[in-house]
Amino acid sequence: DIQMTQSPSSLSASVGDRVTITCRASQGISNYLAWFQQKPGKAPKSLIYATSSLQSGVPSRFSGSGSGTDFTLTISSLQPEDFATYYCQQYNSFPRTFGQGTKVEIK
Amino acid sequence: EVQLLESGGGLVQPGGSLRFSCAASGFTFSSYAMSWVRQAPGKGLEWVSDISGSGGSTYYADSVKGRFTISRDNSKNTLYLQLNSLRVEDTAVYFCAKRRDGCIDSWGQGTLVTVSS
Repeated sequence: DIQMTQSPSSLSASVGDRVTITCRASQGISNYLAWFQQKPGKAPKSLIYATSSLQSGVPSRFSGSGSGTDFTLTISSLQPEDFATYYCQQYNSFPRTFGQGTKVEIK
Repeated sequence: EVQLLESGGGLVQPGGSLRFSCAASGFTFSSYAMSWVRQAPGKGLEWVSDISGSGGSTYYADSVKGRFTISRDNSKNTLYLQLNSLRVEDTAVYFCAKRRDGCIDSWGQGTLVTVSS
């Protein structure tokens, strides 16, 4: 199974900050990497697919990059509605493993 | 607009069974693979199972293999998950999700299963 490791597990940031979350795969997954946002008590929301492509309706302040085993999600200017938990998931192979999540909190 | 509406959650005793449904609308259901993903209380997301658009291919996490069965009825635009031999550790919110080109692009609101005596 491919293990997905996110870092950090949590971070504190202010509105307007640039935030970067890292996701590392235990083996190469090409560009088959997605990012999701989840707010408390809500269903996840799909943000990014194929490492860097934004899902429809996702603001352009979100971006993704990477390939192989190392990937990043960047929020260029953090907005109040961005405080949430973010998960990566590989869909290169089964089982479709998620990272453990990164909680973005208000500083 | 894509809509995924789960139903069928509830309280069940260890060893018991349950079946979820996920009613889909707003897209051509049979053209898309579907997934079930769960989240235990206070924990992260865990992939549970996938099924191809035709229903001919299914995939399971090791933690549920042999106990859970994913299926779909494309004539009813409905996805199912049959849960047997339930364990306390299966307690979670279960989300159905639509896949496009392998990746989840839409999520249902989730249905809660509590396994407890």
